[in-house]
Amino acid sequence: QVQLVESGGGVVQPGRSLRLSCAVSGFTFSNYGMHWVRQAPGKGLEWVALIWYDGGNKYYADSVKGRFTISRVISQNTVYLQMNSLRGEDTAVYYCTRDHYNSGDFDFWGQGTLVTVSS
Amino acid sequence: QAVLTQPSSLSASPGASASLTCTLRSGINVGTYRIYWYRQKPGSPPQYLLRYKSDSEKVQGSGVPSRFSGSKDASANAGILLISGLQSEDEADYYCAIWHISAWVFGGGTKLTVL
Repeated sequence: QVQLVESGGGVVQPGRSLRLSCAVSGFTFSNYGMHWVRQAPGKGLEWVALIWYDGGNKYYADSVKGRFTISRVISQNTVYLQMNSLRGEDTAVYYCTRDHYNSGDFDFWGQGTLVTVSS
Repeated sequence: QAVLTQPSSLSASPGASASLTCTLRSGINVGTYRIYWYRQKPGSPPQYLLRYKSDSEKVQGSGVPSRFSGSKDASANAGILLISGLQSEDEADYYCAIWHISAWVFGGGTKLTVL
């Protein structure tokens, strides 16, 4: 069955870095665009980043552009989110999700990993 | 002004219908966009419901009942999620989303209460 499992969250000080991972299984990874979407405590959803199914293009929300980098390793069935220069407003649950050939249908989501940026 | 605006809350009775709106900012024409809808229950990740661009271009999420449907109100420049035959389990937060200028944008969400 389809699974997306995020890891790497935790408590980090402002200005520091953190790398999130999303390990996937149960589907052909290379056929899917992969996204990170976050949700601050008690708030709504905020899209963070997208990497195309073929890794050919990457897109970022303005709020993270220049600080976050999305990548994927096909052989490992894993997508990463490198987060640098973290700020308090980056505190959120980070979800990994997929869409088939960039259809935009985020049809499966992981359970999320919590990132807390605090001194 | 936000790209997508959703009412923060909506209440409806069991068995009734609920119409959740997602209004696009002035200058962004709803007719040219696919509108995506998600549901999120407390403590759970979002669940994909459907996408709607037109009656000839729409997709229902796998396993999503037909009582969830999408439409548009061009006069209001809004996408609509219609839920008919409301059940207590439909109580959740509902989000719309579009792909706009090389970024995904979510609406602020509507908390639907079924009482």
